[in-house]
Amino acid sequence: EAGVTQFPSHSVIEKGQTVTLRCDPISGHDNLYWYRRVMGKEIKFLLHFVKESKQDESGMPNNRFLAERTGGTYSTLKVQPAELEDSGVYFCASSHYEGGAGVYGYTFGSGTRLTVV
Amino acid sequence: AQSVTQLDSQVPVFEEAPVELRCNYSSSVSVYLFWYVQYPNQGLQLLLKYLSGSTLVESINGFEAEFNKSQTSFHLRKPSVHISDTAEYFCAVAVKTSYDKVIFGPGTSLSVIP
Repeated sequence: EAGVTQFPSHSVIEKGQTVTLRCDPISGHDNLYWYRRVMGKEIKFLLHFVKESKQDESGMPNNRFLAERTGGTYSTLKVQPAELEDSGVYFCASSHYEGGAGVYGYTFGSGTRLTVV
Repeated sequence: AQSVTQLDSQVPVFEEAPVELRCNYSSSVSVYLFWYVQYPNQGLQLLLKYLSGSTLVESINGFEAEFNKSQTSFHLRKPSVHISDTAEYFCAVAVKTSYDKVIFGPGTSLSVIP
């Protein structure tokens, strides 16, 4: 089966611009997660979708970040306007198991490296 | 709140030498413990996990980790490393009552030197 796909793999934008990251989960995985790693620090949870609904968005840093999951398939994460501190690697993960992805494990994508200059 | 500490940000080691990557966690409630690995230009992969039972868990490629409750540690070890083990390793925890959210440590970059 195809894995979790993220694109672009790299993005360099200027401060104040808008960037949209996309994640295609494994087909049939209802659970989709966004994480990010900023400046070599720990990977932090951003939010969790179950199908098209946001189950938990407690990790979203501020209202410049908007995540959507149209029809419960792919997801987008938009940053508008981007700030320098948004630079980092954004990971997407999906899981088939509801309420237990942390136990059964996630399947992660390769990440999008975002650089804001 | 939970937190994960990985004291070593970078660990260089010669090929065929043993290695230990340290992980300590802090939590007031019971947690599950994990090690994830990220090889160059790839996504994170689950290496091994401790859920319950035997405190020593093993991966298919020769790594093992031991859960020590009294020391709140989950160190990762391998008796003889290979070049292909060069990667970044992340220790992580998930709270048993809310295990859809995983808390990661800052990562340890393992470099195997020929």
